[in-house]
Amino acid sequence: GAGVSQTPSNKVTEKGKYVELRCDPISGHTALYWYRQSLGQGPEFLIYFQGTGAADDSGLPNDRFFAVRPEGSVSTLKIQRTERGDSAVYLCASSLRARDNSPLHFGNGTRLTVT
Amino acid sequence: GQNIDQPTEMTATEGAIVQINCTYQTSGFNGLFWYQQHAGEAPTFLSYNVLDGLEEKGRFSSFLSRSKGYSYLLLKELQMKDSASYLCAVRDRSGAGSYQLTFGKGTKLSVIP
Repeated sequence: GAGVSQTPSNKVTEKGKYVELRCDPISGHTALYWYRQSLGQGPEFLIYFQGTGAADDSGLPNDRFFAVRPEGSVSTLKIQRTERGDSAVYLCASSLRARDNSPLHFGNGTRLTVT
Repeated sequence: GQNIDQPTEMTATEGAIVQINCTYQTSGFNGLFWYQQHAGEAPTFLSYNVLDGLEEKGRFSSFLSRSKGYSYLLLKELQMKDSASYLCAVRDRSGAGSYQLTFGKGTKLSVIP
């Protein structure tokens, strides 16, 4: 597609439930990133992939969070046993490469609300 | 880890010039990016610096001093549509070969008539 696509755009779930957030990057981009953003804050790094493998998952807050990118394109961020503190906008971005002057292109995000 | 600092809010007048500063502390520096984010929208790329000096792109310019851990974004001929948050982001290469991009908290710029 023309840009990074994220689905759903909004997700409301109850505390304790499981959610999956999907990201479809720009075709040909090898690097894919997940961030989350709370109101009035900058994006907080969660994880990035280079191809199919997680190159850096140091930003995942705990083991309830997991992400996959099995074929090196679409990625899914999975959150188990959701908590109210997980409420945020989850942003996905992709870039041609993970280094140098390759900028990140962001999707419009998934707004997750845990009630 | 990284420490990125930028002012929380700024106000400037339409038609004027504004400079948004960013300081950072990091090892393995691999570039600095500026992004613009309008309320409720995704961040969009503005500029990239990896060498010292000024990069100019139309009304927007970005400056970098690696020795001082300092960058600024300069916006000229301000327009009302420039009201947005401006995010400074630093790419850092870790010992494991990871190229992580860390964002500051953003500077909310309000342009007034």
